[in-house]
Amino acid sequence: EVQLVESGGGLVQPGGSLRISCAASGFTFSSYWMSWVRRAPGKGLEWVAHIKQDGNEKNYIDSVKGRFTISIDNAKNSLYLQMNSLRAEDTAVYYCTKWDVWGQGTTVTVSS
Amino acid sequence: DVVMTQTPLSLSVTPGQSASISCKSSQSLLHSNGNTYLYWFLQKPGQPPQLLIYEVSNRFSGVPDRFSGSGSGTDFTLKIGRVEAEDVGLYYCMQSLLVPSFGQGTKLEIK
Repeated sequence: EVQLVESGGGLVQPGGSLRISCAASGFTFSSYWMSWVRRAPGKGLEWVAHIKQDGNEKNYIDSVKGRFTISIDNAKNSLYLQMNSLRAEDTAVYYCTKWDVWGQGTTVTVSS
Repeated sequence: DVVMTQTPLSLSVTPGQSASISCKSSQSLLHSNGNTYLYWFLQKPGQPPQLLIYEVSNRFSGVPDRFSGSGSGTDFTLKIGRVEAEDVGLYYCMQSLLVPSFGQGTKLEIK
């Protein structure tokens, strides 16, 4: 079964850090660009970042540049998002996706 | 950056009737390879998004044939024929020609 499973979300104070993960199974992980997409409370979907299969090309939405880092480990079939200097507006459900497959999401709450 | 604009932002539809959502991009989504990178997703309440249509008009596996996509360049449409109760949720268009961007979302409700 093709599956993406996110983990690592939680409550963090403003200015804090968190790393979320996405474990892939059922497909050749190293063959696809992978993205992180988020949905903040009461808002729509927002693409956050993506990474090329070999990890050599990455792009970010402007609001997270310099604070978030996307990475992959093809040996572990895993995608990561390191989030630093977190702000209240980063509060959202974060999904990993390759567009035709989505995880269930992991919730990140930034609050004091 | 490519800006995606959806209309309407909400729809209330009687079961069995059809519905249509428009999506306009701020620049053409036609790639030099001939493909147009426009997708449609549905996010049902409490669920992750699901892919409905890829590259303008191709239904994803398992998507009922009452969902259809059309358009070209900067103007695209998702049509839902014979709306059913299970179709409620938020519909999004998305482009991936450049760094991906989503439309604002269209909320479909059943009358």
